[in-house]
Amino acid sequence: NAGVTQTPKFQVLKTGQSMTLQCAQDMNHEYMSWYRQDPGMGLRLIHYSVGAGITDQGEVPNGYNVSRSTTEDFPLRLLSAAPSQTSVYFCASRVLHRRQGGYGYTFGSGTRLTVV
Amino acid sequence: AQSVTQPDIHITVSEGASLELRCNYSYGATPYLFWYVQSPGQGLQLLLKYFSGDTLVQGIKGFEAEFKRSQSSFNLRKPSVHWSDAAEYFCAVGAGGTSYGKLTFGQGTILTVHP
Repeated sequence: NAGVTQTPKFQVLKTGQSMTLQCAQDMNHEYMSWYRQDPGMGLRLIHYSVGAGITDQGEVPNGYNVSRSTTEDFPLRLLSAAPSQTSVYFCASRVLHRRQGGYGYTFGSGTRLTVV
Repeated sequence: AQSVTQPDIHITVSEGASLELRCNYSYGATPYLFWYVQSPGQGLQLLLKYFSGDTLVQGIKGFEAEFKRSQSSFNLRKPSVHWSDAAEYFCAVGAGGTSYGKLTFGQGTILTVHP
């Protein structure tokens, strides 16, 4: 298993440009989510999905769109990039431990985005 | 709404000294609690997690954490810090049970280790 794969690792955008951050997992996890990490603010949830065709907003969804057409992929779209979206973005998937209870998250390695 | 507070933004300790990183959470029911570590420029690594049972949880790299429901805390401890422990540490809380609860992170604590 490759786990959670994010591409690209680094990206520089100009204000107003659009782009898609890719996230793929090969563990057949139903739940996937996107976080952004900013200094002193921890990780904040942008959007999440509980399965193919189902998405919902997290804490900081403005300026971002998501879709979930397959279990494996959960892309994050920036429609019109702004300097305030300069951040490190993490994708994560989650597995439920149905027998012993609880769950586990697998994080991607992150995408460092700079908007100039 | 659930939330996590890590009161210490930055902690400095000497190598070999003991360490305690504080974490306070707010959640209406039984929480699931996690500690992650992040080295500079790297992703998140799970140190330990608490779901139920024994309130003292052992993790990797010699770390442990204790869940105290009465204090809404889940502090991370290590008896003797190594220089390689220098990193940023995040506490997180998630919904208990089998709901699709979201994972909420604290602001993080940066650990510096002096030789």
